Amino acid sequence: SAVISQKPSRDICQRGTSLTIQCQVDSQVTMMFWYRQQPGQSLTLIATANQGSEATYESGFVIDKFPISRPNLTFSTLTVSNMSPEDSSIYLCSERLTQETQYFGPGTRLLVL
Amino acid sequence: EDQVTQSPEALRLQEGESSSLNCSYTVSGLRGLFWYRQDPGKGPEFLFTLYSAGEEKEKERLKATLTKKESFLHITAPKPEDSATYLCAVQASSGGSNYKLTFGKGTLLTVNP
Repeated sequence: SAVISQKPSRDICQRGTSLTIQCQVDSQVTMMFWYRQQPGQSLTLIATANQGSEATYESGFVIDKFPISRPNLTFSTLTVSNMSPEDSSIYLCSERLTQETQYFGPGTRLLVL
Repeated sequence: EDQVTQSPEALRLQEGESSSLNCSYTVSGLRGLFWYRQDPGKGPEFLFTLYSAGEEKEKERLKATLTKKESFLHITAPKPEDSATYLCAVQASSGGSNYKLTFGKGTLLTVNP
């Protein structure tokens, strides 16, 4: 299995500010992802974090709102920019270790006031 | 558009009372169907990946099966520690991100002692 850590585990932020979430994995992986889990909703893919190039965003998500960095094969960050209460959610980092297995981190619980 | 529907939304069982959770899916070519367990305040924990109709996988009291339209997660003689939300996700073989998982909303399982 994989060990994935995220920082912070939770935060309460003010409207209009930005928060950067860090994700560290314990082995070098090609595929890392960022998902969002809103209350009562399904987990939704935000973007694929590509090492050495820009992230690939899913429909409905844009780089200006969710900039992503992937400086190496074990680390990625997601920034939630210019936050509003609608951004209150759980943000999850994920890695595809093999074709058969995909693991998730513990999540970052964000509340925007 | 890929869709995943899980039923029931919630299920209460007595300890030892076996049952099944359902995951119905619509996808443009199935590359894989994933099952996860999620405990409150934690990230999803990987359980199984199924690839083709007729495939079955087992882990302790859990057995996952797959048909062309749905997957079942059978829980045999459950214990209170099996209480969790069980998530189903599909990976399509065409369109969008090659590794995107589309999730259902989950089934909240409660096993009473």
